[in-house]
Amino acid sequence: KQEVTQIPAALSVPEGENLVLNCSFTDSAIYNLQWFRQDPGKGLTSLLLIQSSQREQTSGRLNASLDKSSGRSTLYIAASQPGDSATYLCAVGRTSGSARQLTFGSGTQLTVLP
Amino acid sequence: NAGVTQTPKFQVLKTGQSMTLQCAQDMNHNSMYWYRQDPGMGLRLIYYSASEGTTDKGEVPNGYNVSRLNKREFSLRLESAAPSQTSVYFCASIVQGRLFFGSGTQLSVL
Repeated sequence: KQEVTQIPAALSVPEGENLVLNCSFTDSAIYNLQWFRQDPGKGLTSLLLIQSSQREQTSGRLNASLDKSSGRSTLYIAASQPGDSATYLCAVGRTSGSARQLTFGSGTQLTVLP
Repeated sequence: NAGVTQTPKFQVLKTGQSMTLQCAQDMNHNSMYWYRQDPGMGLRLIYYSASEGTTDKGEVPNGYNVSRLNKREFSLRLESAAPSQTSVYFCASIVQGRLFFGSGTQLSVL
């Protein structure tokens, strides 16, 4: 059974700092990996989707990398801002175009201090 | 374009009461999902519907039923609520592997 771990559970950084969030998974037979952002009292917003054949994806100040062989993904946030404060979750998918076999991590709660 | 809309946002039930959580999406997606989110446990899939007219159990289906009324709507019903069903419930739809979530229903069962 796939297990997805995100460490640390919480992280505080000063504004402007570059930071890395970690996601590890136990079964490397994945189809894709997705990073989400969740604001308090809100649903999840998809940030980046990496297919298993890809090494990384970029969107603005965000860069997500994937290393299937080591069971790791990282989300790099450049020049962090207070508005980046949220919980970041990763989810690993085993099948194409379906969330049936999507396994979520518990998230890292990020606080960017002004 | 509203995306995925869930109602209600908050609900308090007594043990044994029933209720239906409503979900609608306006993105013409075939597949829809119901998740629950509990502290320290990530999101867990309750039920899903791959297309209109079909539904299947996810990881934690006990105590729940679902209806895929049409392509837009996918409802989740608690027939006899239990305190263990206190949670935040999310509806989602998917296209090309990317999930779109509603804003959630915070349910407390006393």
